[in-house]
This record gives sequence, structure tokens and C-alpha cells, in this order.
Amino acid sequence: GESVGLHLPTLSVQEGDNSIINCAYSNSASDYFIWYKQESGKGPQFIIDIRSNMDKRQGQRVTVLLNKTVKHLSLQIAATQPGDSAVYFCAEKSGGSNYKLTFGKGTLLTVNP
Amino acid sequence: DTGVSQNPRHKITKRGQNVTFRCDPISEHNRLYWYRQTLGQGPEFLTYFQNEAQLEKSRLLSDRFSAERPKGSFSTLEIQRTEQGDSAMYLCASSQAGGGFTEKLFFGSGTQLSVL
Repeated sequence: GESVGLHLPTLSVQEGDNSIINCAYSNSASDYFIWYKQESGKGPQFIIDIRSNMDKRQGQRVTVLLNKTVKHLSLQIAATQPGDSAVYFCAEKSGGSNYKLTFGKGTLLTVNP
Repeated sequence: DTGVSQNPRHKITKRGQNVTFRCDPISEHNRLYWYRQTLGQGPEFLTYFQNEAQLEKSRLLSDRFSAERPKGSFSTLEIQRTEQGDSAMYLCASSQAGGGFTEKLFFGSGTQLSVL
């Protein structure tokens, strides 16, 4: 079946550097994408979302880029901090579903002080 | 704290036993979801309620699983005759209908089930 996946399982960066986490999706009907952050022992926490009619959206220190041509999504974190260390998941909704999220496998981000 | 609350946080049980988990959603949210997450994987959709009505069940939800939301507020997820393969984190999420397809889900911290 169609699914959402991630290119890299782990990413290690130095504090203060920018981080880029990538995600590939295969469902061309996907129309809404979300990035979640999950810290150890906690549930996923919403970071930022983007609709398929956009190619970029910015939040506080985070930017999501969407390339529908190659079905690729990325999360950029500026000036990465130790508190950003977590597993990051991309998730998608498709086909008009307004409730079912399909998650990728996740990328573990480690920020070194 | 008015977030999604799940109890217990951890449950250890022996194979064959029944377990029940509880989820209290954000009070004004009328939609409630159960997801399952295994180590290193993203959460997988199990089932969804709008108010007290269970509107969809994933094929992952075998006959041994049952979820209820009797009064449209809290929900319970019961697993009968647990198997080792049921070991996972069970996540509950809630949302408020009316947000369209950009409706945001808020997750609880989950119940970690270990079946010995």
C-alpha cells in the first residue's frame, strides 16, 4: 500500500547548527502533511503543518518545505537546541479523510552541546 | 493540565490476561482516536470515535480488541487474551470536529503495554 517514509533514521548535529529532516511520501492523493516531535516517554507533539497547495510554511525556528513533483517533504530547524533532541515523524492525510493520519518511521535527532 | 490523559502509563501483564486502558480527551473535543506504536515505528491508526459513535476500525484491530466511548467523553480500549505481539505503546488522541482536513490531533503520553 502507499505509505509515508523517511530517508534517514538518525541525524546528529551540533548545538546552534541548522537541522534538516527529510520525508518521502508515495501517495499522490496526500493533501495535508504534518510534522510531529516525540520525546522519550511522551506522545507525538504537533510542530507544523502544510497543505498540498503550498510549497513552504514557516513557524518559530521551523520551516516545512513541500515538493509535490518528487513527493518530498522536509523539516528545517534553525539554530538547533538540545531541547530539540527527539524523534521526528512526518504524517499525512489523504483522500478527504479528516481524521486518519499515516505516519512515517521517524528520524532520531540528537543535538550535541 | 488540560491535555489528553491516559492511564495507566505502564502495564505489564502475562500472556492470556485481559487489559483495559483509559483515555480522557481534551474536554471540548468530540473526536477521539486510538493509535498503536511499536519501537522505532510511527503510530498506526486503530480506531476513531465521534462523540459516542465508533466510526472506523482498522484491520489491525482484531476481534480481541474492543474500544468504547459510552458517553462521548472518556474512552476505554480493552485487549482480551493478550499476546506478546500486543506489546506496544497505545496512544490516544483527540480533536475538535469542524477543522476540516487540517484538523489537529492532540496526543496523550500513551500506555506502554508489555506482555510477558
